[in-house]
Amino acid sequence: AQSVTQLGSHVSVSEGALVLLRCNYSSSVPPYLFWYVQYPNQGLQLLLKYTSAATLVKGINGFEAEFKKSETSFHLTKPSAHMSDAAEYFCAVSPSGSARQLTFGSGTQLTVLP
Amino acid sequence: EAGVAQSPRYKIIEKRQSVAFWCNPISGHATLYWYQQILGQGPKLLIQFQNNGVVDDSQLPKDRFSAERLKGVDSTLKIQPAKLEDSAVYLCASSLSVGTTYNEQFFGPGTRLTVL
Repeated sequence: AQSVTQLGSHVSVSEGALVLLRCNYSSSVPPYLFWYVQYPNQGLQLLLKYTSAATLVKGINGFEAEFKKSETSFHLTKPSAHMSDAAEYFCAVSPSGSARQLTFGSGTQLTVLP
Repeated sequence: EAGVAQSPRYKIIEKRQSVAFWCNPISGHATLYWYQQILGQGPKLLIQFQNNGVVDDSQLPKDRFSAERLKGVDSTLKIQPAKLEDSAVYLCASSLSVGTTYNEQFFGPGTRLTVL
C-alpha cells in the first residue's frame, strides 16, 4: 500500500523567494513519485515525475524535486517564486512499473505575495 | 492534440436525485480513470478502465455509483441516488496503456457537483 503526506496545507512566499513544498511517502514497493499542479477550475497538470532514474528531477516552470529514499521524501522546490506559481500542488505516489493506482496527498495551496 | 473532455462542467442537484457525467479521453488512450476530489482533499481513484474492461473499482461505492465504457472510448459515471457527501469535483483522466512502462495520466477539467 502507498500513502503520501504533504506537510502544510497552505504555504505563502514572497515573489522571488524560494518555494519549498514538502512531501513524504510510504510505500511497500519501490515507488514512482509525482508532483501535479492544479489551477482554479482546471484539471491536474503534471509538473515532474520520479521513475527510478536520476534522483534529482527537473520539471516544467523551473520546478525540481529530489527523491531521498533514506528520508522517504520528495520535496518540490523552485529557486524564485513567480506570481503565476500560485496554485494548488499535489504530491502522488504509484507502484513502480505502472501509471495506475495514483495515490494523492491532500494538497498544498501556494500563495505568492507581491 | 485535444485534451480530455468532460461535461457538464458544473451540476447542482438535490439529494436523492440522479446525475451522470461524461468523459471523452485523448484519442488512442486505452486507459481511463475516474477520480473524486472532495474539497480540501486530493483526488481519490474511483474506477479504472482498460479499453472497455474494468481494471479496478475497489473504491467505487457500488450501491449508488456506476460507470461504463461500452466501446472503449467515451465513459459515463452515474450517481443514483445522490447524497450530500457526493459533493465534489469528478475528474476524468486517460493514459496510453497500463503496463510496465510508465504512461502519464492526462486530466480533464473536471465536473463540479453540488448536492443540496
